[in-house]
Parts: sequence; structure tokens; C-alpha cells
Amino acid sequence: QEHLVESGGGVVQPGRSLRLSCAASGFTFSSYIMHWVRLAPGKGLEWVALLSYDGIERHYADSVKGRFTVSRDNSKNTLYLQMNSLRGEDTAVYFCARDVRLWGQGTMVTVSS
Amino acid sequence: DIQMTQSPSTLSASVGDRVTITCRASQSISSWLAWYQQKPGKAPKLLIYKASSLESGVSSRFSGSGSGTEFSLTISSLQPDDFATYHCHQYNSYSEWTFGQGTKVEIK
Repeated sequence: QEHLVESGGGVVQPGRSLRLSCAASGFTFSSYIMHWVRLAPGKGLEWVALLSYDGIERHYADSVKGRFTVSRDNSKNTLYLQMNSLRGEDTAVYFCARDVRLWGQGTMVTVSS
Repeated sequence: DIQMTQSPSTLSASVGDRVTITCRASQSISSWLAWYQQKPGKAPKLLIYKASSLESGVSSRFSGSGSGTEFSLTISSLQPDDFATYHCHQYNSYSEWTFGQGTKVEIK
């Protein structure tokens, strides 16, 4: 069965860093583009970043460009999101997703002093 | 960048009502549009993909239509479990996904 499981969320002060992980199972992880999407309180879903299957091509939303970095380790079937210089507006549930059909359950990130 | 405009943002309806949510893309996305239902604390649940294809296991009271830039999701007869937030999602672009602002369906 195909699964994505996020981890690494928590409460962090503004300006600090956090790294999220997304563990994949049940499918050939190294064959797929992967995405990060977030849902902030009271807002709609916002696409954050994507990474090509081989980890070479990256794309980011303007709101996180220069602060967030997406990476993957295909030997560990894991996707990462390194979040630096965090702001209050980054507070959200972060989901990893393979495609329209496969999403993780999300991990909550709260940026607050 | 492709922008998605979803309306309404909130919809008050009663059990048994027929409701329609619309989504407009800023440029053609062919039929690369999905609709999700989301409840608090849960991942989005896929209802419709490729604009009008019903996901396996999803009730047939949900239907999607449209292509190009204009899309809609219709719930034919609202049930108590349908009160939730609905999102449209374009996946036509290789370099980005875009979502609508979401529609919260509330009990009237």
C-alpha cells in the first residue's frame, strides 16, 4: 500500500530553522516528482515546492524562495524540506504529495515567539 | 504563473440541496484540474480528477465539469458528511501546482 508520512514539525521562534521529512513507502519513490503543500489557518492550500525524481530540478513558490530548500534521498525513500528564516506566516500544516491521489497526513509547523 | 479563482468562499446550504462551486484558471489548463474535500486535521481527499473523472470510492452525487479555464464541482444532494472545505487544484503546469482559495460549505 502506498503511503507518505511527514515528520519534523513543531513550534519554532521566528528567524529559526526547521527540517521536515516525508517518508515514502509502497511505490518506486525514485521515479516520481514530489511536492510540498501547506495549509495555513483560515487560508486555502498553497503549493510550496517541487523536486524532480532525480533531485536536480527544483521549483519554489515566491513566498518561500531563498528561504526553503527541497531535497531528497532516494536510497532512503525520503523527501525533505529545509525551512530557514521562518516567519509567522509560515505557520501551517505541511503536506508532502506525489500526485493528486497520494498525500501524507501532514505535520504542523507553528512559528511563534 | 497560473492563478486559480474559486468561488464562493463560503456557501450556506441545507441537507438535500444541490450546490455548485466554480473555479476559473488565469490561462488554459486543458482538463488538468482536481477537486478535493478537506476536513479539519485531515489530508485533502480526492473527489474528481481530470476535471470530470470521479475518483474510485467517491459518491456519485459529486460531479465535475469544464475544460480550459472554467470548471465546476456539483454536489447533487448535500448530505451531512459533505459539510467541509472544498479545494480546486490545477496540475497542468510542470513547474508548479496552484490551488483555489477554498470553499467552506456550512449548514444553513
